[in-house]
Amino acid sequence: DTEVTQTPKHLVMGMTNKKSLKCEQHMGHRAMYWYKQKAKKPPELMFVYSYEKLSINESVPSRFSPECPNSSLLNLHLHALQPEDSALYLCASRSGTAISYEQYFGPGTRLTVT
Amino acid sequence: AQKVTQAQTEISVVEKEDVTLDCVYETRDTTYYLFWYKQPPSGELVFLIRRNSFDEQNEISGRYSWNFQKSTSSFNFTITASQVVDSAVYFCALDSWGKFQFGAGTQVVVTP
Repeated sequence: DTEVTQTPKHLVMGMTNKKSLKCEQHMGHRAMYWYKQKAKKPPELMFVYSYEKLSINESVPSRFSPECPNSSLLNLHLHALQPEDSALYLCASRSGTAISYEQYFGPGTRLTVT
Repeated sequence: AQKVTQAQTEISVVEKEDVTLDCVYETRDTTYYLFWYKQPPSGELVFLIRRNSFDEQNEISGRYSWNFQKSTSSFNFTITASQVVDSAVYFCALDSWGKFQFGAGTQVVVTP
């Protein structure tokens, strides 16, 4: 089973709201990722968790706050977002941190900030 | 620095035609991995293939084939006898002891 699930599928939020995106995998993968993808662009890496520790933060604004409560779960907490943060947010996981492994992606959460 | 270039923004073909997607990469590392992903309109990125820098064998999987040429730093992807379901954005990616780097993607449109 190579499934990564993400909830919700769609989210509309105002600029003063606080919301969270959730990602889950049960493949025993120890590396998990958040990407942001704007229309007609490739995914851009935001955060990497390796063995439940934040290993990469690509200078993402603090209004995005990641959390990895356990090896199967990855959250992205959103607060005071801007309209330009509207995008598809993709979660991915990988078996270990070696580069030989492919990443498996979830279906994404389509976020609209009004 | 590493870089992945997919020069073709969009390719339109009629069903049953073959289509080749180009991918050129740059890296200073001797050990690296190359990937192809498909992103249909639904949005989910689907893993297609992984190739390491020491394995230049070409690969065929059904209607898909990949041509890896280290001498030209290219990892091209061919869809034979295209079908409407092949319509998607295809991304080439490079992983070289660091971040996973995607190319800009090539939109493939297959019309009946």
